[in-house]
Amino acid sequence: AQTVTQSQPEMSVQEAETVTLSCTYDTSESDYYLFWYKQPPSRQMILVIRQEAYKQQNATENRFSVNFQKAAKSFSLKISDSQLGDAAMYFCAYRAPGGGADGLTFGKGTHLIIQP
Amino acid sequence: ETGVTQTPRHLVMGMTNKKSLKCEQHLGHNAMYWYKQSAKKPLELMFVYSLEERVENNSVPSRFSPECPNSSHLFLHLHTLQPEDSALYLCASSQFVGIYEQYFGPGTRLTVT
Repeated sequence: AQTVTQSQPEMSVQEAETVTLSCTYDTSESDYYLFWYKQPPSRQMILVIRQEAYKQQNATENRFSVNFQKAAKSFSLKISDSQLGDAAMYFCAYRAPGGGADGLTFGKGTHLIIQP
Repeated sequence: ETGVTQTPRHLVMGMTNKKSLKCEQHLGHNAMYWYKQSAKKPLELMFVYSLEERVENNSVPSRFSPECPNSSHLFLHLHTLQPEDSALYLCASSQFVGIYEQYFGPGTRLTVT
């Protein structure tokens, strides 16, 4: 079974600084999908960024980028120029390939605090 | 309304009550999901529906009963729950099952007394 591990229950960063959230996963698949979701205090989970395992290039969305290390099964999220609105729970998630009905497998989450 | 909506946002129920959670998606999606989010635990997938048919049941106790009358609506019927069932219940939808992005609702905070 796939597992996703987020080893940092909480991270704190000064506004405008850069922070990296770590995620590792375990799978025997060679092709899969990885996601970072953000859950602000209002609780609505939103997708931040997504990475296809077959792509070597790291995904980037504005201030958010990932460092995808397939051999190490590592998928960290870097947030540049942190803003107060970035404060939230961040969840790393894994999705197996194919047309199966499985949902996402989530990590326990990292609580990100932005210090003004 | 846009996206995925859930009602009620908060629910307190006794162990002998029967209640239902409602989810509605306004995105034209064909797959819908129920997740359970407990404190200090990863989100747990409960049920998956594709084109109104249940395609996955992750060993969820029978006191949770899902219903999907059409592709836009998903219900979770609750009866004789236990205090450990207290959690945030999240609904999500995607265009189809598979690798498509899932859009989440705001959740229902359930407290079982």
